[in-house]
Formats: sequence, C-alpha cells, structure tokens
Amino acid sequence: LAKTTQPISMDSYEGQEVNITCSHNNIATNDYITWYQQFPSQGPRFIIQGYKTKVTNEVASLFIPADRKSSTLSLPRVSLSDTAVYYCLVAADSNYQLIWGAGTKLIIKP
Amino acid sequence: ETGVTQTPRHLVMGMTNKKSLKCEQHLGHNAMYWYKQSAKKPLELMFVYSLEERVENNSVPSRFSPECPNSSHLFLHLHTLQPEDSALYLCASSQAPSGGAAVADTQYFGPGTRLTVL
Repeated sequence: LAKTTQPISMDSYEGQEVNITCSHNNIATNDYITWYQQFPSQGPRFIIQGYKTKVTNEVASLFIPADRKSSTLSLPRVSLSDTAVYYCLVAADSNYQLIWGAGTKLIIKP
Repeated sequence: ETGVTQTPRHLVMGMTNKKSLKCEQHLGHNAMYWYKQSAKKPLELMFVYSLEERVENNSVPSRFSPECPNSSHLFLHLHTLQPEDSALYLCASSQAPSGGAAVADTQYFGPGTRLTVL
C-alpha cells in the first residue's frame, strides 16, 4: 500500500503562493491523488484531484511529476481564510484502500 | 453545508453504555464511509458501504458495528467502548466506482461526531 508523507505544519503570509508537497513513493498505477482541506469542527472538503502532470481549478493547482512519487498542492495568493489542515489522499485500488496523509497545518499570517 | 448530516454532534458515554451515531446524505450517492479521526493521526477508514453492501472493514474492533439500511443512511453502533476510542467520527459519501476503476470519486464529509468515552 502507498504511504503518504506530508510536512506537519507550514506558515505563510497573505498574498503569497503556498506549495505543500506530499510524498507517496509506492503509488500504484491505478492510484489517483486527491487533496482535501479541513477547518476546525468540520469534515474535510475536496480541493483538487489529479493523476499526472498538472491540474488547475479555480482554487488551486496540483503538480505531479512523471514518476508520480510526489505531488505538490499550490495555493495562489493565500488569505487568512486559507488557514486550515490540508490532507493528501492516495486512492490505492478499487478495494477502497484509501491512504490518507497525516495532514499539513497551514497558518496564514497577516 | 455539504449535503451530509451527522447526529449527534457531541457525545459523552461511559464504557458500559450503548449508543449509535447517525449519518444521512442528501446527494444521491451510493457509497458511504465511516472514518475515525484522532489527534495527530491520519484519518482512519473504518467501514465502507457500496450499494448498501459492506465492502471494506479495516480490522475494526467488534465494539463498533455499522449498519446501512439504505443508500442514504448509515449508522455506527457503539458498545463497551474504551477511552482510547475517544475521537471525531466522520461520515462521508461518494459515487461508488464503476468496473475496476480506482477509488477516485470525491468524498463529501459530514461535520463529524465528537465522541468522548469516560
């Protein structure tokens, strides 16, 4: 099973671009990479998903290198409201083997 | 509002009590999940139901018993819990994958039930 590793915490400032990297060295061919955001007293919320190369939506970009052993969530021009915990998820086959990272606590300062 | 509701939001119980957690989804999904979230640990998948059949049970102790009467409702029955079972219990739903595709569909989470076992 793929194991995911993320930094425990990160700090940044309003208006900056933030990049959070997740390592998943044993990712399998059929695995997708998904990132979720969680605020206190709420469940995680989907941000973005990808398989390879680059994916962009209205809130974030996801960069996945050719070997797919890592992925980087990029948040452009963060604001105070982006302070949250960000989780990397590798979907490890059709038998619902979901491998979640421990989460990265992102703190945005004014 | 994610379309997934959980009740109660908070629960305090003794080790000899029996209680149930309830989850309801209004999204038309056909897969539902129970997760345990403890402080400083990754989300732990406990149970998955797809098309109302249990498809995953990650070696969860028998003191946790899930029930999925239909595709919109999911229960977690609790009995003789231990203090280390205190955690946030999250319910989620998604569309079940078709064929042999990987589990990749977006999961929608409820707000969770904060459980404290005394």
